[in-house]
Amino acid sequence: EPEVTQTPSHQVTQMGQEVILRCVPISNHLYFYWYRQILGQKVEFLVSFYNNEISEKSEIFDDQFSVERPDGSNFTLKIRSTKLEDSAMYFCASRARQGNYGYTFGSGTRLTVV
Amino acid sequence: GENVEQHPSTLSVQEGDSAVIKCTYSDSASNYFPWYKQELGKRPQLIIDIRSNVGEKKDQRIAVTLNKTAKHFSLHITETQPEDSAVYFCAAKAAGNKLTFGGGTRVLVKP
Repeated sequence: EPEVTQTPSHQVTQMGQEVILRCVPISNHLYFYWYRQILGQKVEFLVSFYNNEISEKSEIFDDQFSVERPDGSNFTLKIRSTKLEDSAMYFCASRARQGNYGYTFGSGTRLTVV
Repeated sequence: GENVEQHPSTLSVQEGDSAVIKCTYSDSASNYFPWYKQELGKRPQLIIDIRSNVGEKKDQRIAVTLNKTAKHFSLHITETQPEDSAVYFCAAKAAGNKLTFGGGTRVLVKP
């Protein structure tokens, strides 16, 4: 079964540092997402991306966040200057096409900001 | 925007009994309602979903019901087994692309 791949699985960073979380969505999928989950809490939407541009973002996704699809396979989330409260599990997800609502989640990157 | 409430937050059942988790949503335009199972430290895994043009869907021991008028949907797990122990999340998709998740239900199946 095709999978969404995320790297690294765990990243520890100093407050104020930049981090890039990487995702390889399923190859024929067209819609890409980042969600985050603070420990013990629910999964929260960050941003959706389609046709090489952001289609929707939440209030969490402020100027410190950016996304990019630098080539045909990778989808990255950059946090410019990390804060302690950015510590969370970050999930990438993708889905195939309009009308197909089946989201596939990656295994996540646990980000710890110290 | 969409708001999804989920109850209960924890649920303890005896092996073999049924478990029911309920969710309500706020946006009447929501048209897709998936349920995810999440084991500790793992990704959310889709276990069943339902679209707004269907009232009920079943897959072996798992079923989901949807009441569009009341804006609520429920997950039913029958004949629970210890491996059903996990956190379950409901979600709803309205206009646009994003899923809005409920707060999660921690299910513990006692052998």
